[in-house]
Amino acid sequence: AQSVSQHNHHVILSEAASLELGCNYSYGGTVNLFWYVQYPGQHLQLLLKYFSGDPLVKGIKGFEAEFIKSKFSFNLRKPSVQWSDTAEYFCAVMLMDSSYKLIFGSGTRLLVRP
Amino acid sequence: NAGVTQTPKFRILKIGQSMTLQCTQDMNHNYMYWYRQDPGMGLKLIYYSVGAGITDKGEVPNGYNVSRSTTEDFPLRLELAAPSQTSVYFCASSYSPGFEAEKLFFGSGTQLSVL
Repeated sequence: AQSVSQHNHHVILSEAASLELGCNYSYGGTVNLFWYVQYPGQHLQLLLKYFSGDPLVKGIKGFEAEFIKSKFSFNLRKPSVQWSDTAEYFCAVMLMDSSYKLIFGSGTRLLVRP
Repeated sequence: NAGVTQTPKFRILKIGQSMTLQCTQDMNHNYMYWYRQDPGMGLKLIYYSVGAGITDKGEVPNGYNVSRSTTEDFPLRLELAAPSQTSVYFCASSYSPGFEAEKLFFGSGTQLSVL
């Protein structure tokens, strides 16, 4: 069955530290890839997406992600985190078959200490 | 536009009771999804629909049913509520899942407790 794995469930960083959150998926076909963020008490918001082309994509708030097809990975990065980045981050994969299922990972809770 | 509207926002059920979580969107979106969000588990897809009259199971469909008689509405039905169904439920919709997939609109969620 298709699945999305986020191996880091909780991450604690100090401000200005660099961030990398892992995301791997299991599906052999074409996918669209997403990272969403959920701030406390709020809805999911789209950070960035990958459909095709340059595997390094840039999103809002200084986030970027790199799609490595051979590794089935789509890791999220930010060079220098801020306290306001404290949130839960979800990787999501859309299967580009006739189902268009959008499958989420289990999420990573990021705490940034001032 | 109202976007995606979910009702109720909160509900407490007794074991064995039934209820329907309502979801409606006014954006003429073809694709609609129901997710449940459990702590540490992320969002799990329960059911989804690619258009009126068409529904399909997601990752965790057991204990739930859906219908899609109109483009606007996608209700989720719990027939015999169980404590394992205590969760936050999100409805989402999208016009097209392809290139415009970033335009995935989420409802505000329904917090359900089964006691």
